[in-house]
Amino acid sequence: DTEVTQTPKHLVMGMTNKKSLKCEQHMGHRAMYWYKQKAKKPPELMFVYSYEKLSINESVPSRFSPECPNSSLLNLHLHALQPEDSALYLCASSHEKGWTNTEAFFGQGTRLTVV
Amino acid sequence: GDSVTQMEGPVTLSEEAFLTINCTYTATGYPSLFWYVQYPGEGLQLLLKATKADDKGSNKGFEATYRKETTSFHLEKGSVQVSDSAVYFCALTYRYNFNKFYFGSGTKLNVKP
Repeated sequence: DTEVTQTPKHLVMGMTNKKSLKCEQHMGHRAMYWYKQKAKKPPELMFVYSYEKLSINESVPSRFSPECPNSSLLNLHLHALQPEDSALYLCASSHEKGWTNTEAFFGQGTRLTVV
Repeated sequence: GDSVTQMEGPVTLSEEAFLTINCTYTATGYPSLFWYVQYPGEGLQLLLKATKADDKGSNKGFEATYRKETTSFHLEKGSVQVSDSAVYFCALTYRYNFNKFYFGSGTKLNVKP
């Protein structure tokens, strides 16, 4: 099973709403990631979790709040977003540093629209 | 610093044509190299990888060889199909940097019947 599952697939939210994106993997990976992808651009790294602890925050605004409740789950809590935050949000997972297999596996993404 | 440069797209080919998408990289160490493919409305799928110099990654008729001397990892396929239409991303990462990926800008491939 090389699947990363993201829910929901599509989300429309107002600028005053609070919502959450969810991500799950069962590959035993201990590194999990959130990426943001705008149209016709490559993914941009937002956060990295390593062994359920936040290890990288790429200077992401505080209206995005990540959470890693356990080794299989990753959440991204959204609050007071702006229309320019509309994008495809991708979750990914991989083995931790030091492993020979360094590839990341991506979910299908959540298409977020902020109105 | 580390970076990946891909050829500008879109690339438009007829079915059964030969495909080459160029990718070159700048690396401070010895990275692993990847090609990911993104179909419309979907996430990224790993297409192939190579972890050291002279390795050849291959999958679904696609191939790429890790060339340290030219710092390149060009993607090739002998005969493309309409179903290969997608955006292709070249990427690199290191084994000891929390797997931070450096992506190229992506190359859109359109294959016409």
